[in-house]
Amino acid sequence: GNSVTQMEGPVTLSEEAFLTINCTYTATGYPSLFWYVQYPGEGLQLLLKATKADDKGSNKGFEATYRKETTSFHLEKGSVQVSDSAVYFCALTGDTGRRALTFGSGTRLQVQP
Amino acid sequence: DAGVIQSPRHEVTEMGQEVTLRCKPISGHNSLFWYRQTMMRGLELLIYFNNNVPIDDSGMPEDRFSAKMPNASFSTLKIQPSEPRDSAVYFCASSRDSPEAFFGQGTRLTVV
Repeated sequence: GNSVTQMEGPVTLSEEAFLTINCTYTATGYPSLFWYVQYPGEGLQLLLKATKADDKGSNKGFEATYRKETTSFHLEKGSVQVSDSAVYFCALTGDTGRRALTFGSGTRLQVQP
Repeated sequence: DAGVIQSPRHEVTEMGQEVTLRCKPISGHNSLFWYRQTMMRGLELLIYFNNNVPIDDSGMPEDRFSAKMPNASFSTLKIQPSEPRDSAVYFCASSRDSPEAFFGQGTRLTVV
């Protein structure tokens, strides 16, 4: 079945530091890949997505590239802000028409001023 | 657009009581999902509907859990009887012919 593996947190960075959160997946065919963000006390918000190999999703300074050869979708940001503190989830949907998301375990990011 | 609306936001109930969680998806969306979030198990899919029909309920923990979608604008998740291990945050999400899902703010359930 489908699965997503994320690096464990928490990740603690200083403001303006470079961020990488690793994500690898196992799936048959060509899944769509997502990063969702969850701020304290809130639901999940879609941060970015990529639907085919070599696509780069980007939003709010965050980027992730769909790498089929390494089955990875690592999240990066060049300069984090305190407001980026949240939990980040990598997720996928399969290519068989089943639209439910399979999530990774989530990575908590804490950015210190 | 109001987004996905869930109610209540918080629910505290005693073990053995019936609990009903409610969800209003985004207008025009044809898929609806119920997820459960716990520290131990992360985010798990419980059930999802397409065009009001349950497609996959393999994530429903046991017979104490049931979900309905009587029309395109409303869904319920019911737990009867509730147990302390059901304590979690329950999320509803919806989508329209797309893998991108929009989530509600969740219902935090505490069973004491």
